[in-house]
Amino acid sequence: KQEVTQIPAALSVPEGENLVLNCSFTDSAIYNLQWFRQDPGKGLTSLLLIQSSQREQTSGRLNASLDKSSGRSTLYIAASQPGDSATYLCAVCTGTYKYIFGTGTRLKVLA
Amino acid sequence: SAVISQKPSRDICQRGTSLTIQCQVDSQVTMMFWYRQQPGQSLTLIATANQGSEATYESGFVIDKFPISRPNLTFSTLTVSNMSPEDSSIYLCSVLQGDQPQHFGDGTRLSIL
Repeated sequence: KQEVTQIPAALSVPEGENLVLNCSFTDSAIYNLQWFRQDPGKGLTSLLLIQSSQREQTSGRLNASLDKSSGRSTLYIAASQPGDSATYLCAVCTGTYKYIFGTGTRLKVLA
Repeated sequence: SAVISQKPSRDICQRGTSLTIQCQVDSQVTMMFWYRQQPGQSLTLIATANQGSEATYESGFVIDKFPISRPNLTFSTLTVSNMSPEDSSIYLCSVLQGDQPQHFGDGTRLSIL
């Protein structure tokens, strides 16, 4: 059974810092992995999608990497801003189009 | 990317009643899903909404409690039946088309008194 874990559960950093969020999964047979952002009381916004054949994806200040063999993905946020404060979720697609979500990392960027 | 409208955005309901949540997409999509997010928790898949046939439910979720309809490729409903306080959650609709990223609606925040 696929399980997805995110570390740390919560993170508070001063503005301008570069930071790394971690996601690990127990079954390497994934179709893709997606990182989402969730603001309080809101739905999910897709940030980056990495197909199983890819090693990384970049969008602006965000870079996500994928190492299927070790069951890990990282989301790198460069030069963090207060507007980046949110909960970040990773989700793995099991190949039957079902997404298994991680536990999330609550990020707070202090001005 | 698909634009998803979910209604209502929030509701407060009495114990024992039922509520139907609507999900409308601005384009035809292959797959639609319903998720639940309990307070302080991550998302759990309830079911896959199948167009023209019965939904496919995940372990722990049953049709009598969460009946789902999907009459066409742009619309689906989820009903939460005979509600209890334990059903207080955010319910989210999502869509998937090919290899595109999965997209979510803004969710329905449901509170049961």
